[in-house]
Amino acid sequence: AQSVTQLGSHVSVSEGALVLLRCNYSSSVPPYLFWYVQYPNQGLQLLLKYTTGATLVKGINGFEAEFKKSETSFHLTKPSAHMSDAAEYFCAVSDWRAGNQFYFGTGTSLTVIP
Amino acid sequence: NAGVMQNPRHLVRRRGQEARLRCSPMKGHSHVYWYRQLPEEGLKFMVYLQKENIIDESGMPKERFSAEFPKEGPSILRIQQVVRGDSAAYFCASSPPGTGPEQFFGPGTRLTVL
Repeated sequence: AQSVTQLGSHVSVSEGALVLLRCNYSSSVPPYLFWYVQYPNQGLQLLLKYTTGATLVKGINGFEAEFKKSETSFHLTKPSAHMSDAAEYFCAVSDWRAGNQFYFGTGTSLTVIP
Repeated sequence: NAGVMQNPRHLVRRRGQEARLRCSPMKGHSHVYWYRQLPEEGLKFMVYLQKENIIDESGMPKERFSAEFPKEGPSILRIQQVVRGDSAAYFCASSPPGTGPEQFFGPGTRLTVL
């Protein structure tokens, strides 16, 4: 069975500082991993995904994530935070070969301090 | 290509009434998924449907909830005799057949039960 743990339900960073949002997963098969962003009262927007191939994945808005199988992690980073990055971020894992449902973490709320 | 459409965006019901939530998948997508997001929580899988078939309903409450995806028209999530605990955001996602794990999310329907 798949599951996702996001450490830190709230993260605050200064504008221009490094953003690091943590995600650890549990999966009985090679996982597919995703990061989504949710702005207030809106739906989920895909930031980036890992399916196969290169373990460092680049996404939109300057975000990237690295799949580390040995650590079962898929942490999201951005070198320099912008005020517009303030939102809720969700990590998700999927085993689409077993039915395609996504398992989401509980989310991390990112606050950017001016 | 229009994205996943959900309506209504906001729905208010009194306890005991019925709620019907609609989801129109992206053009060419024949797979639909429903997720529920309770306040301060991540998204939880409810049901996975293909045209005229329920593939996986392991996340659906056993009573009062039902879903369908008819040959023509949108997918419907139906909640009978709503209770306050049903208040949540309900998200629909769609994916094309057989092309991998990515799901595209709609903007959600926010249900409030008074």
